Amino acid sequence: QKEVEQDPGPLSVPEGAIVSLNCTYSNSAFQYFMWYRQYSRKGPELLMYTYSSGNKEDGRFTAQVDKSSKYISLFIRDSQPSDSATYLCAMRVADTGRRALTFGSGTRLQVQP
Amino acid sequence: DTGVSQNPRHKITKRGQNVTFRCDPISEHNRLYWYRQTLGQGPEFLTYFQNEAQLEKSRLLSDRFSAERPKGSFSTLEIQRTEQGDSAMYLCASSSPIRDEQYFGPGTRLTVT
Repeated sequence: QKEVEQDPGPLSVPEGAIVSLNCTYSNSAFQYFMWYRQYSRKGPELLMYTYSSGNKEDGRFTAQVDKSSKYISLFIRDSQPSDSATYLCAMRVADTGRRALTFGSGTRLQVQP
Repeated sequence: DTGVSQNPRHKITKRGQNVTFRCDPISEHNRLYWYRQTLGQGPEFLTYFQNEAQLEKSRLLSDRFSAERPKGSFSTLEIQRTEQGDSAMYLCASSSPIRDEQYFGPGTRLTVT
């Protein structure tokens, strides 16, 4: 079983929809959580970074962390065709000597115009 | 701030050859990371440098792989005696001494024939 599970999709939504992307994890030592967006054949682009349970908002994006359930989410409001990409969740443990990120396998999102 | 740069962007090599990739981090970022990503998967951590010191290595980093960061600026990743299973996107990321977020470069796509 992978440490981080993510539905691969594809997830297809109409333009303007609210998108919900999710990851579950098994390692309770994960304390820092990130969401990256990756366009085809490009490097991942950091969207959100959070380390506490609860919500964090940045523009159209909201990251939600529930450490008790080992579950994180990314919500995208007013989705646009330009949001079509693969979304990767990533996380790492709190040990300052260990900075390796563990990624989910990514969810491919398609926003239809 | 020009972002993380990687060269070459694409490399095609024959099995058994050695290849070397270069990564230039964001200026003043003292931490540098290497990841490998295969199709349909999230990036997998390989190794991490803080300044010139290699502080963390994954078991994925077999003895055919070696990474260096001799002056604490750019880094190189060498793969000796390449195998077809080494075909992947090799990603470099960097982070600052103050903030934890890892910013990725565009990657080097390796194809071993």
